[in-house]
Amino acid sequence: AQSVSQHNHHVILSEAASLELGCNYSYGGTVNLFWYVQYPGQHLQLLLKYFSGDPLVKGIKGFEAEFIKSKFSFNLRKPSVQWSDTAEYFCAGYGNKLVFGAGTILRVKS
Amino acid sequence: DTEVTQTPKHLVMGMTNKKSLKCEQHMGHRAMYWYKQKAKKPPELMFVYSYEKLSINESVPSRFSPECPNSSLLNLHLHALQPEDSALYLCASSPPPRANVLTFGAGSRLTVL
Repeated sequence: AQSVSQHNHHVILSEAASLELGCNYSYGGTVNLFWYVQYPGQHLQLLLKYFSGDPLVKGIKGFEAEFIKSKFSFNLRKPSVQWSDTAEYFCAGYGNKLVFGAGTILRVKS
Repeated sequence: DTEVTQTPKHLVMGMTNKKSLKCEQHMGHRAMYWYKQKAKKPPELMFVYSYEKLSINESVPSRFSPECPNSSLLNLHLHALQPEDSALYLCASSPPPRANVLTFGAGSRLTVL
């Protein structure tokens, strides 16, 4: 069965701090991986995606993620967060359907 | 047009009512999806339509009835719902061949009294 797990449910950071959100996936076949963001009161937006090739993928708003096949991980990173990054972040994997992790609520203190 | 549009944004209905949620996209996408999102939970897949045919039903109760009249429209018909069905219902679409890159609508927030 396909599953995605996120390690942190709530993260609080000060502005300019570095961010890393953990994501692990489980699927027997080829899986495509995504990070989506949901800002307060807004719809889900795609941050970045990994299909194949370079395991370090860059997305919008300065986010990046690294696919590590041996660890079944796809962690999201940002070197310096801003108050406007306050949102809920979902890791998702597509094997035969798109399955989401439980989400991580990030609050950035100004 | 790069949006998925959902109507209504909010819906309140009684347990005996019949209502429908609507979803529209004009991006030429040929796969459309319904997800359900409860508060503080991730979206959960309900249905997938591919080329206007139902391809996935995640064992959703029959009180939810999807319909895809054409490649741009997706409906979710609601009948005899329960209070626990109150949630945000998200529509999404994706293009071929990258059927797995979904664009989501803003959702319809449903309250069942």
